[in-house]
Amino acid sequence: RKEVEQDPGPFNVPEGATVAFNCTYSNSASQSFFWYRQDCRKEPKLLMSVYSSGNEDGRFTAQLNRASQYISLLIRDSKLSDSATYLCVVNPITGGGNKLTFGTGTQLKVEL
Amino acid sequence: DVKVTQSSRYLVKRTGEKVFLECVQDMDHENMFWYRQDPGLGLRLIYFSYDVKMKEKGDIPEGYSVSREKKERFSLILESASTNQTSMYLCASRSGDRSYEQYFGPGTRLTVT
Repeated sequence: RKEVEQDPGPFNVPEGATVAFNCTYSNSASQSFFWYRQDCRKEPKLLMSVYSSGNEDGRFTAQLNRASQYISLLIRDSKLSDSATYLCVVNPITGGGNKLTFGTGTQLKVEL
Repeated sequence: DVKVTQSSRYLVKRTGEKVFLECVQDMDHENMFWYRQDPGLGLRLIYFSYDVKMKEKGDIPEGYSVSREKKERFSLILESASTNQTSMYLCASRSGDRSYEQYFGPGTRLTVT
C-alpha cells in the first residue's frame, strides 16, 4: 500500500462548480498534512496546511479525518486558474519535518 | 520573497558522464532538499541537508551524492549518469523553524541518452 494515495483524475469541471479531492495516508502516526499546488511544468507551491479542526482559505477548505486517515480539499466556485495538479503531502512522525511524503497528485481541469 | 534557483532548466547528458546540478537559495534556510519527479511516482526525496556539510539520505539515494559547502548552495551529483536517471529534478529549501513549508526551485529536466 502506498504511504499517500490520491485519485490521479483528471477531474474535469465547469467554471463555478464545487469539486472535492480526497487523499488517504497509511501511517496513523503522521503528524501534519498539507496541500500543494503544481501548475503544468512549474514547481510545487504550498496551497494550505491542514489542521485537525479543518481550515478555510477563501474558496478552499481543507479537512482532516484522523479516524479514517484521510484529508480532503474542497474548492468552491472553481475558476479557470484553479486548473493544476493538487499534491497531498504528509509529514510522518519520524520525519522531523524534513521527510515529507508526497502523493502523486490529482489533476483538476476547469473548463468554460 | 523566497527564491530558489537551479543552474539549468534543461540538460542533456550521455550515459556514464558525471553530472552536477546546482541549487541556490537566498533566504538563509537551514534545510535543503533534492527530489526527482516522475509520472505516476510523484516526488521522491533523494537527499537532504540540514546544515553546512551535513547530509542525510532520502528514499532513493542510490546513484547520487550531494555536497553542501555553503549554506545557500546544495549540489546534486550523478557520478555516472544512467538512462534511468532521466527525470525532472527539483531542489527545495525550508527554514529551521516549525514551519514545514518547502520552497521549490523551477526544476531541471535531465535527459540521459
